Amino acid sequence: EADIYQTPRYLVIGTGKKITLECSQTMGHDKMYWYQQDPGMELHLIHYSYGVNSTEKGDLSSESTVSRIRTEHFPLTLESARPSHTSQYLCASSDSLGGVDTQYFGPGTRLTVL
Amino acid sequence: AQSVTQLDSHVSVSEGTPVLLRCNYSSSYSPSLFWYVQHPNKGLQLLLKYTSAATLVKGINGFEAEFKKSETSFHLTKPSAHMSDAAEYFCVVGRGNTPLVFGKGTRLSVIA
Repeated sequence: EADIYQTPRYLVIGTGKKITLECSQTMGHDKMYWYQQDPGMELHLIHYSYGVNSTEKGDLSSESTVSRIRTEHFPLTLESARPSHTSQYLCASSDSLGGVDTQYFGPGTRLTVL
Repeated sequence: AQSVTQLDSHVSVSEGTPVLLRCNYSSSYSPSLFWYVQHPNKGLQLLLKYTSAATLVKGINGFEAEFKKSETSFHLTKPSAHMSDAAEYFCVVGRGNTPLVFGKGTRLSVIA
């Protein structure tokens, strides 16, 4: 079982602010992911990383950026938050035991932009 | 390309009755299949996964799923629903080194 930590759990900020959502995992997983999820809706992959210094954009276009300088850390940054960014952001990491990627999720960050 | 279709957006059952959440998948290759559960204001928790071993997969909390290649289905079942099972359930398909593809979710309500 993976340990995935996300901070903050809840964040309310004003329009135009720069924010960084933190995600850390302690299992040494190479692969990490960020999803965006509106309440009661499906998950949308916005960024992923298959290792240090490797990042890719996901299926859903996002104004956020990510970095992967250390294996255990995968922060997501919004340079200028807008009300349309209000959502829940879920971080995950995966192992590839047996050749199958199994993702483990953090508790999520619920972001509200006023 | 891979995809999953969860056939019901909402399922409602009485406590103590069986649960059936339906999922069909599409994949050009032998897929890996997962079910995740999400309780309100929480992250996703892995219920079970299929990786081409036994076709009947047992998961946590009494859930199980059967992989049926001929029907391209991976339905989730539980013999007796409990109030704590009320949550959102996601069927997921994956293969190799590509990101997982999530279904749109099925909301399970359990009536006392």
